[in-house]
Amino acid sequence: SQELEQSPQSLIVQEGKNLTINCTSSKTLYGLYWYKQKYGEGLIFLMMLQKGGEEKSHEKITAKLDEKKQQSSLHITASQPSHAGIYLCGADGPGYSTLTFGKGTMLLVSP
Amino acid sequence: GAVVSQHPSWVICKSGTSVKIECRSLDFQATTMFWYRQFPKQSLMLMATSNEGSKATYEQGVEKDKFLINHASLTLSTLTVTSAHPEDSSFYICSANGLAGYNEQFFGPGTRLTVL
Repeated sequence: SQELEQSPQSLIVQEGKNLTINCTSSKTLYGLYWYKQKYGEGLIFLMMLQKGGEEKSHEKITAKLDEKKQQSSLHITASQPSHAGIYLCGADGPGYSTLTFGKGTMLLVSP
Repeated sequence: GAVVSQHPSWVICKSGTSVKIECRSLDFQATTMFWYRQFPKQSLMLMATSNEGSKATYEQGVEKDKFLINHASLTLSTLTVTSAHPEDSSFYICSANGLAGYNEQFFGPGTRLTVL
C-alpha cells in the first residue's frame, strides 16, 4: 500500500469556500512538508511541520500535524483562483529513505 | 533562502539525440542532489539521488545508462538524457539538500523536455 496517502485526489471548490487536504503516513514522521505546484513550474514550499500538534499558518493557508505525527491537514480559508494548483505533501522519517511525496491533490477554484 | 537553478528551462530535441540538464545550488553547497520526473497531472517521481564525488543511486526501474547523472561539485549536478525518445518527454525537476541535520529540499524551477 502507498506509504503516503493524500486525499482527495482532486477538488473543485467555489471561490470563497473553505477546503481541506489530508496527508496520512503509515509511519511516524520527522517532518511533513507542504508544497504547491502548477504543472510546468517548480515547487513552491509552503510549510514544514515537525512537532506533534504543531500548526502553522501563512496568509489563508493553515497546516496541522497530529500528535502522533502521522497525519497532516492543509486548510485553505476563503479560497481564491490564485490557490488553484497541485498540492503535494512530502514526508521525512525513520521509515523513509528520502523525502517521499504523496500523489498530490489538484485544486480548481471556480469563480 | 537557498536557491536552486536549472538550465535550460525548456528544451526541444530530435529523437536519438542527447540532452543535458544542469542543476545548480546558487548560495549553498549541496551535499546531495535529487532528480525527479513528473508527467502531467501526476506527482513527482524520484529518479536518482546523487552525492558529490560519488556515483548516483538510481531508483528501481530507472535506466542508469539512459539517464546519466554527474555530481562533479558541491554546487552542480547534471542529468543527461541519452538517445532521447518521445516517451522521455517530461518535466524534470532537481532539488538540493545541503543543510546539515535538516532534510528540507530546495527545488529548482524544472526543465520541460520535449522529444520530437
